[in-house]
Amino acid sequence: SQQGEEDPQALSIQEGENATMNCSYKTSINNLQWYRQNSGRGLVHLILIRSNEREKHSGRLRVTLDTSKKSSSLLITASRAADTASYFCATDGDSGAGSYQLTFGKGTKLSVIP
Amino acid sequence: DGGITQSPKYLFRKEGQNVTLSCEQNLNHDAMYWYRQDPGQGLRLIYYSQIVNDFQKGDIAEGYSVSREKKESFPLTVTSAQKNPTAFYLCASSIFGLIKNQPQHFGDGTRLSIL
Repeated sequence: SQQGEEDPQALSIQEGENATMNCSYKTSINNLQWYRQNSGRGLVHLILIRSNEREKHSGRLRVTLDTSKKSSSLLITASRAADTASYFCATDGDSGAGSYQLTFGKGTKLSVIP
Repeated sequence: DGGITQSPKYLFRKEGQNVTLSCEQNLNHDAMYWYRQDPGQGLRLIYYSQIVNDFQKGDIAEGYSVSREKKESFPLTVTSAQKNPTAFYLCASSIFGLIKNQPQHFGDGTRLSIL
């Protein structure tokens, strides 16, 4: 089952602009994670935000979490051509006592034009 | 350098054939995972293992089998029962502990196609 859903599906911006991607989910979570995937490669973990946190920064990345709206956003500031990739959010969804599964959305495909 | 190695990078399967995808990690992680990714889609969990000699089915385990005889290794077999095996397969690992859902580290995938 798909817990997180990213929006938009695709995003094209000019180098230097900011890129914002959103993720909505359905059930309560312990944490939400964002990953990046370059074409034909594996995923790379970017940032983890816990359910009791509202905002987190890492370099040019800013992640917000609104548990009342069950949504998160990933902002990449001053984008570079090298940021071109697909970005996925992942949640622990309906995790019972024994559940250690992450559920991934379908991703936002970001293209940064030089 | 610590990491996850998947092999082969490309694999072709004939009708009725079982094929095995390799996944090895030297991160000393307890937990390992196998995902399937179809074009334009997110990742779907096939199997996961939290400890040696133990593994659990994910959302789409039918037609697949795994083993976890060593901490470092978590091979995935795509059996002939999997009628639509063409996909990108990703292996991942993470720390296993009291805090759930630690960040996962991924290999660079195996692309499986039908001949």
